[in-house]
Amino acid sequence: AQSVTQLGSHVSVSEGALVLLRCNYSSSVPPYLFWYVQYPNQGLQLLLKYTSAATLVKGINGFEAEFKKSETSFHLTKPSAHMSDAAEYFCAVSDQTNAGKSTFGDGTTLTVKP
Amino acid sequence: GAGVSQSPSNKVTEKGKDVELRCDPISGHTALYWYRQSLGQGLEFLIYFQGNSAPDKSGLPSDRFSAERTGGSVSTLTIQRTQQEDSAVYLCASSIRQGSAGELFFGEGSRLTVL
Repeated sequence: AQSVTQLGSHVSVSEGALVLLRCNYSSSVPPYLFWYVQYPNQGLQLLLKYTSAATLVKGINGFEAEFKKSETSFHLTKPSAHMSDAAEYFCAVSDQTNAGKSTFGDGTTLTVKP
Repeated sequence: GAGVSQSPSNKVTEKGKDVELRCDPISGHTALYWYRQSLGQGLEFLIYFQGNSAPDKSGLPSDRFSAERTGGSVSTLTIQRTQQEDSAVYLCASSIRQGSAGELFFGEGSRLTVL
């Protein structure tokens, strides 16, 4: 069985500040890990994914995440927040046999203050 | 269009009625997934289709839920005798193939409200 815990359902940062969205996972097999973003009234889109290659993964819009097996974490970061980053972010885990059958976290809503 | 298309975008129905939600995946994508997103919660896997293989129905919450995929393309999710707890956004996603670490492409969802 797999599970994902996103710490903090709401995160608020000032424009230009560091963004840190936390994700911890549980998996009995080597996982694939994903971050998706959902802008208001839009579908989810992939930000980045970890597939057992490099542990530091870079995604779109300046986001990156680091896979830390010892901490079972896959936190999402961005050095400098932009107003357009305001959205809901979902962390997801799957096993390597079917990346689409993912288990999602409850999501973190990011607010960016001017 | 080039993306995953879902219809209707919004559906309001009365308790006990049946509803059908449609998903048109990206052309050439062999894998299709349905998820449910309830208010304030993450996505809940419902069912997936891969080519001509039998679908994985392990996420369907009850026998009131069913789905089919015709011709390996369009999929319909049917909810019979709807209940208020069925109210949610139903998301469809497709990917190039099962088993890859490929990206899931999501539609904008169908918001179902059961009165």
